[in-house]
Amino acid sequence: AQRVTQPEKLLSVFKGAPVELKCNYSYSGSPELFWYVQYSRQRLQLLLRHISRESIKGFTADLNKGETSFHLKKPFAQEEDSAMYYCALSGDPLQTSGSRLTFGEGTQLTVNP
Amino acid sequence: NAGVTQTPKFQVLKTGQSMTLQCAQDMNHNSMYWYRQDPGMGLRLIYYSASEGTTDKGEVPNGYNVSRLNKREFSLRLESAAPSQTSVYFCASSLRGGLHEQYFGPGTRLTVT
Repeated sequence: AQRVTQPEKLLSVFKGAPVELKCNYSYSGSPELFWYVQYSRQRLQLLLRHISRESIKGFTADLNKGETSFHLKKPFAQEEDSAMYYCALSGDPLQTSGSRLTFGEGTQLTVNP
Repeated sequence: NAGVTQTPKFQVLKTGQSMTLQCAQDMNHNSMYWYRQDPGMGLRLIYYSASEGTTDKGEVPNGYNVSRLNKREFSLRLESAAPSQTSVYFCASSLRGGLHEQYFGPGTRLTVT
């Protein structure tokens, strides 16, 4: 079974401060990990994915297989980063687990001025 | 190009009533999904359709049925609504399976009294 855990339901930081949203997963194979974001009154959308190894809006995430984590980081938070963030996992594309995403519980990030 | 559309946007039902949530995508995607979003529980997969002609249960299928009407459309039916089904429902689609970016609809806010 695959599982994604986001231990913080709420996270509040000040503008300009570093921010880290935690994500831990359990999966027996090699997972693909994603971060999705939902800004107020907007649709849920992909922020970044592990396989792309890219930085989007200043955010990065590193897959740590030893710690089974995929934490999302940004060195200097901005007010427009305030949103709900979801970590998600997809499994082996040749198996059922690769047909779908498993989402974490979400972290509501608030960046204060 | 509308992406993923859902109807209705809002709905109030009485316990025991039935209804169908409609979802359509115009991106020629193979895979479609239905999620429910509840505070503190994140996004949970109800049913999905990996490709036209197939449907599979997700994490929380009880009380729901789905129909993949054609490649574009994927509907979710509540046969006998219960207050526990009060939630926000999201439809999503992806090119193929969990490895590809999922595109989400705007959501349907359902209240069952």
